[in-house]
Amino acid sequence: GAVVSQHPSWVICKSGTSVKIECRSLDFQATTMFWYRQFPKQSLMLMATSNEGSKATYEQGVEKDKFLINHASLTLSTLTVTSAHPEDSSFYICSAMFSLNQPQHFGDGTRLSIL
Amino acid sequence: LAKTTQPISMDSYEGQEVNITCSHNNIATNDYITWYQQFPSQGPRFIIQGYKTKVTNEVASLFIPADRKSSTLSLPRVSLSDTAVYYCLVGDNQGGKLIFGQGTELSVKP
Repeated sequence: GAVVSQHPSWVICKSGTSVKIECRSLDFQATTMFWYRQFPKQSLMLMATSNEGSKATYEQGVEKDKFLINHASLTLSTLTVTSAHPEDSSFYICSAMFSLNQPQHFGDGTRLSIL
Repeated sequence: LAKTTQPISMDSYEGQEVNITCSHNNIATNDYITWYQQFPSQGPRFIIQGYKTKVTNEVASLFIPADRKSSTLSLPRVSLSDTAVYYCLVGDNQGGKLIFGQGTELSVKP
């Protein structure tokens, strides 16, 4: 079946560091990918929609200069958390659609901890 | 986007059938209903999707009444490993975004 892979699965870094998270569709081409954020005991919150070859669409309240999204190919989208601070610590999850009229498939998430 | 409402939590015992109902009064004509399962520190996993009536796969059934304003996920003979959060979402499957509700935390006890 369709597989979405995220890397890294877990990262710890110092405050002020920029962190890049990769989301790959392993066996299909994904023109659209989505990035979510999840805090402990809470639901997933959509951050942005990533479209291949165009700028990402950010949800209200999400800083586009803070969370840089690049979708340079049909199989890879990246989320860069720039100058990360402790409040950016969270679980980040991506998803992808491999065709219309099919459900989204999710990666296994990236646990980001900023010290 | 249609909003969904689910019970916050449910308890069950191993071997029982579990039914989780989701309300989506504002569902649009083109919207599908999709259920996901999420374990701690993992991404959501697709369970089942339907548009109307009944859909069944190897892990669950989905019942959707004629007015489509609600849906029920049925998990037959649950086991301890079915303890997870279950999310109901509606969307048109045309590349549009999905908005997650609070989900239902299912706890299966021995």
